[in-house]
Amino acid sequence: EDKVVQSPLSLVVHEGDTVTLNCSYEVTNFRSLLWYKQEKKAPTFLFMLTSSGIEKKSGRLSSILDKKELFSILNITATQTGDSAVYLCAVGNSGGSNYKLTFGKGTLLTVNP
Amino acid sequence: ETGVTQSPTHLIKTRGQQVTLRCSSQSGHNTVSWYQQALGQGPQFIFQYYREEENGRGNFPPRFSGLQFPNYSSELNVNALELDDSALYLCASSSQSYGYTFGSGTRLTVV
Repeated sequence: EDKVVQSPLSLVVHEGDTVTLNCSYEVTNFRSLLWYKQEKKAPTFLFMLTSSGIEKKSGRLSSILDKKELFSILNITATQTGDSAVYLCAVGNSGGSNYKLTFGKGTLLTVNP
Repeated sequence: ETGVTQSPTHLIKTRGQQVTLRCSSQSGHNTVSWYQQALGQGPQFIFQYYREEENGRGNFPPRFSGLQFPNYSSELNVNALELDDSALYLCASSSQSYGYTFGSGTRLTVV
């Protein structure tokens, strides 16, 4: 059975701190790993990673994938209260023409002023 | 702003009833996937539709069914509602199998 495990499940930090969120996976027919930010309802896309060792950056957020060790990390530097959200890791896999995402439970990040 | 719209935004149903949730996919996207997100959990894959045919299904019973229309919009139907069906139901559309755009979801409460 496909599995995605995120850690920690929750995290409380102060503004300005740097955080690292972890995601490990075991899936068949891996195609991509995606990170989403979920504040209220719709998950908002952050990154899609398909190749090992290539860091993706967007402002204060960055992410990298290790396909040998089957994990990814999401880093957020100089955190702000607006970063408070659930961060979801999902792995895309396919069987034939079907492509689906398997999600982890998410990491609840709380950034206090 | 998301290009995927879902309706209704929330609703309350009684156990045993049936419900239909709707999703309009983003322009140009021909694949629609549905996910169930229980409180405190990540989204769980229900099924996917591609060109009006079911194209993969997760571990959900047959009382969860769906449709996709020629304009690529979609419906999720749930019969014989159970209390555990209470969740946020997310629709996602895509045109290539590498990225999804999620709608804002429908919050279903079964009492």
